[in-house]
Amino acid sequence: DTGVSQDPRHKITKRGQNVTFRCDPISEHNRLYWYRQTLGQGPEFLTYFQNEAQLEKSRLLSDRFSAERPKGSFSTLEIQRTEQGDSAMYLCASSLDPSSKGSNEQFFGPGTRLTVL
Amino acid sequence: DAKTTQPNSMESNEEEPVHLPCNHSTISGTDYIHWYRQLPSQGPEYVIHGLTSNVNNRMASLAIAEDRKSSTLILHRATLRDAAVYYCILRAYSGAGSYQLTFGKGTKLSVIP
Repeated sequence: DTGVSQDPRHKITKRGQNVTFRCDPISEHNRLYWYRQTLGQGPEFLTYFQNEAQLEKSRLLSDRFSAERPKGSFSTLEIQRTEQGDSAMYLCASSLDPSSKGSNEQFFGPGTRLTVL
Repeated sequence: DAKTTQPNSMESNEEEPVHLPCNHSTISGTDYIHWYRQLPSQGPEYVIHGLTSNVNNRMASLAIAEDRKSSTLILHRATLRDAAVYYCILRAYSGAGSYQLTFGKGTKLSVIP
């Protein structure tokens, strides 16, 4: 399978603990995005990378959140001192550089569902 | 990004065509119209996109109004596997930029056997 993969698929943690999620994009994709989705809502953009550079962060990405993509391949998203409000599905997507045809189709992984007790 | 308006939910009978509407009255000249769908317990997947002309692919057709203020995603024969939330998204092409997707709540499509 050459799609986007995420690990773990589910994570249950206690409030105050740190968690880390991993995303493996499609290998030739140099763009990688993180989104968060709460129940009944569409996904919300968190941040994106162009190769290893993190180029944009949403205001949703508080200082407890940090994302890395050290070698321009896989990425990690860490949440420190988790809160119950962090409970959500965390989605990763990857794409090629935007094209002049405005496609830049994003391929999504299955997500990591986080539950903070 | 300009906003889109979609019905919260729609129903269709299996093997019948489905027309999913989207209003985007504030669309700008550089906005492309994208459709993604999200099946239960999965990440979103790309369906189709267009700028001005109607578009067809193996999954669906996209009909764009002449004034571009609305569009319709057409599934020619709905199957049970098409039951999903369908998102209509506008995104400008501007060279540099994140090209993030701004999702609304979408339309939840139910397919009745």
